[in-house]
Amino acid sequence: GNSVTQMEGPVTLSEEAFLTINCTYTATGYPSLFWYVQYPGEGLQLLLKATKADDKGSNKGFEATYRKETTSFHLEKGSVQVSDSAVYFCALVVFQGAQKLVFGQGTRLTINP
Amino acid sequence: GAGVSQSPSNKVTEKGKDVELRCDPISGHTALYWYRQSLGQGLEFLIYFQGNSAPDKSGLPSDRFSAERTGGSVSTLTIQRTQQEDSAVYLCASSGQGAYNEQFFGPGTRLTVL
Repeated sequence: GNSVTQMEGPVTLSEEAFLTINCTYTATGYPSLFWYVQYPGEGLQLLLKATKADDKGSNKGFEATYRKETTSFHLEKGSVQVSDSAVYFCALVVFQGAQKLVFGQGTRLTINP
Repeated sequence: GAGVSQSPSNKVTEKGKDVELRCDPISGHTALYWYRQSLGQGLEFLIYFQGNSAPDKSGLPSDRFSAERTGGSVSTLTIQRTQQEDSAVYLCASSGQGAYNEQFFGPGTRLTVL
């Protein structure tokens, strides 16, 4: 089956620290991979995506590279800000009719000034 | 509005009662998804609509759960005889046609079953 495993949280960092949130996946077929973010009091929104192996998704200073050989899609940011505090979800879609997202369990990130 | 809207934003009900949750997708979006976000299970898929038909209902947890979509637009998720384990945030998302189109999520309905 299809599944996503995310780094356990919560994660607390100081402003300007380097961030990595690990994500690995299991999928039948060739998935597309995503990171979604849920800011406090807001809805879920797409942060970045990659649709094939070796693609790099990037947005708002965050990056993630689709690594087929290690079945991973780790999220990184070189210098986090307080405004990055949120819950981050790794997810995949395998196109088998419904494009239903399969999510990891989420990682709560808190950035302290 | 421009985004996906859901109502009510919060619903508190007593065990055994029926509830209806509503989703208004982005205009023109043909695909509509329901997900559930709960403490124990994380974010999980419930049902998918393409137009008014539901080709994938595989995520509905029991026959107490049903959903419909009318006019290719509004969708209603109904939970009959609610149980405490139904307490969760119910999220709706919509997307356009074609190979992967971004799913846009609504703010969710927080359901609490007492």
